[in-house]
Amino acid sequence: GIQVEQSPPDLILQEGANSTLRCNFSDSVNNLQWFHQNPWGQLINLFYIPSGTKQNGRLSATTVATERYSLLYISSSQTTDSGVYFCAVWTGGFKTIFGAGTRLFVKA
Amino acid sequence: DVKVTQSSRYLVKRTGEKVFLECVQDMDHENMFWYRQDPGLGLRLIYFSYDVKMKEKGDIPEGYSVSREKKERFSLILESASTNQTSMYLCASSRLNLRDGNQPQHFGDGTRLSIL
Repeated sequence: GIQVEQSPPDLILQEGANSTLRCNFSDSVNNLQWFHQNPWGQLINLFYIPSGTKQNGRLSATTVATERYSLLYISSSQTTDSGVYFCAVWTGGFKTIFGAGTRLFVKA
Repeated sequence: DVKVTQSSRYLVKRTGEKVFLECVQDMDHENMFWYRQDPGLGLRLIYFSYDVKMKEKGDIPEGYSVSREKKERFSLILESASTNQTSMYLCASSRLNLRDGNQPQHFGDGTRLSIL
């Protein structure tokens, strides 16, 4: 089945720094979603991005479906950005494949 | 905004009990999902439903059952709770897209279930 790999697995940033998180997938996908899981366990939708680029405030995402990767950019990081970032892909059925996540800690 | 509501944030039950986890969504979504999340194992699909009274097994259905009597409500049932079912349980919903089979999933806040 399709493999989803996220990198880096862990990331520590100083508040105000920028970062790029990567999601690679091993086969063609129909759709891709980025989530943020906060320290209380809530999974929050960030982007639904099968292709192209989207921006929402300090966050933006780019998916290059033909090259099988997606990037999540966080600019001017804040302590509230801490948590785990997941990408999830769909291959055309009902099954969702989640990556293992990138754990981010932003220091004040 | 889509609202997915799980009945409890924290729940403590005893081994052998029958446990019900409830999930309600307010956006008339066709699809509903139950996942469990464990450290080092990520999110794993237990069951999903694409319509009332319809259900499909996910990756780890053993020890669980589900019920979907109304479109907005999807219940996860632990028939006889065991300690290895201690976990974080997450419910999600999405609109059905006939071409792609899925649309963005929206998650509830999760239920941290402890089985003693």
